[in-house]
Amino acid sequence: AQSVTQPDIHITVSEGASLELRCNYSYGATPYLFWYVQSPGQGLQLLLKYFSGDTLVQGIKGFEAEFKRSQSSFNLRKPSVHWSDAAEYFCAVGPHENYGGSQGNLIFGKGTKLSVKP
Amino acid sequence: KAGVTQTPRYLIKTRGQQVTLSCSPISGHRSVSWYQQTPGQGLQFLFEYFSETQRNKGNFPGRFSGRQFSNSRSEMNVSTLELGDSALYLCASSSGLAGSSTDTQYFGPGTRLTVL
Repeated sequence: AQSVTQPDIHITVSEGASLELRCNYSYGATPYLFWYVQSPGQGLQLLLKYFSGDTLVQGIKGFEAEFKRSQSSFNLRKPSVHWSDAAEYFCAVGPHENYGGSQGNLIFGKGTKLSVKP
Repeated sequence: KAGVTQTPRYLIKTRGQQVTLSCSPISGHRSVSWYQQTPGQGLQFLFEYFSETQRNKGNFPGRFSGRQFSNSRSEMNVSTLELGDSALYLCASSSGLAGSSTDTQYFGPGTRLTVL
């Protein structure tokens, strides 16, 4: 069955420290991969996405993610965390090929809540 | 360009009632998807509409339904509400174009539904 696993429910890092959020997926073929962030009471904001090509993807707010096919992983990283990064982060996969090629049916992980210590 | 808007933002209903939520996609987007977010189950896909047709559906009972209008606006309806339907309902829009690598979902702020 298709699934996304985010092993860490809650992570706390100090401001200025580096961050890595883990994401593993199970899918029949190479999927499209996404990271979204959700602040309390808000919708989801797209951080970055991987469709094909370079396996290191740059996103907004200084985030990057690396797709590793052999490990079925798509981990999110940031070299220096800011207090404003405190939020919940969701990894998602979408069908690489389907009826219409759109990403209208995403499978999400359960999320990782990030807290930032001053 | 305006983002995805959802109305109302908050709703309180009682068991057995029905509710209708509305979503206006980004201008030019033809695909609208709906998701349910709960603390226990996380984000779960409900259905997707493209050009007024439902083209994908998640694993939810028939009490959950939706539709899309010619202007791409979408509504979802939940009939005979249950306590477990309390959730944040998120709408997302995208172009829906086949094979487009730029086809990304943009989410609205959600409608918080509380069932008492």
